Amino acid sequence: DIQMTQSPSSLSASVGDRVAITCRASQSISSYVNWYQQKPGKAPKLLIFAASSLQSGVPSRFSGSGSGTDFTLTITSLQPEDFATYYCQLGYSPPLTFGGGTKVEIK
Amino acid sequence: HVQLQESGPGLVRPSETLSLTCNVSGDSMTSFYWTWVRQAPGKGLDWIGHVYYSGSADYSPSLKSRLSISVDTSKRQVSLRLNSLTPADTAVYYCARSSAAFLEVDSWGQGILVTVSS
Repeated sequence: DIQMTQSPSSLSASVGDRVAITCRASQSISSYVNWYQQKPGKAPKLLIFAASSLQSGVPSRFSGSGSGTDFTLTITSLQPEDFATYYCQLGYSPPLTFGGGTKVEIK
Repeated sequence: HVQLQESGPGLVRPSETLSLTCNVSGDSMTSFYWTWVRQAPGKGLDWIGHVYYSGSADYSPSLKSRLSISVDTSKRQVSLRLNSLTPADTAVYYCARSSAAFLEVDSWGQGILVTVSS
């Protein structure tokens, strides 16, 4: 099975900061990575699919990059509503493992 | 706009079987995967498995021996059965829809908290 290693597990940032979260796959998976945002008590929300495609309705300050084994979710100019936990997910073949999550907290 | 609603018991005894149903409304079920994801309290997301609208299913290896996921498009329902429950199965269980292309989960139910306890 393919493992997804996400880092960091948490980070502190200020409004307006640029934030980058990485996800590494245990083997090459082309562009088959998806990214989600989850706020406490809520279901996750799809942000990015196919490594770099922005889901409809998601602000353009969110972007994804990478291919093969290394992927990055970037948030430019962090907004108050962006403080949440972020997860990557394998979209290549089952089991569709999630990364361990990155909690973005207010500095 | 698809809507997903989970239903089932909130409390199940250890060793018993969990049965959850997801009612799907607002969009066709065709050409999508119907997915279950769970989240233990304070933990991350755990992919349980999915079923294609045609009925073909894939499961998490760690749950495969205890798990069954099925779909009934005529009733617009997706079902999950997980047997031999232990307290480690306590979690919020989400029903969700995944695309067939990149298997991204583009729609989620609100989730149902299932507690396994005697």
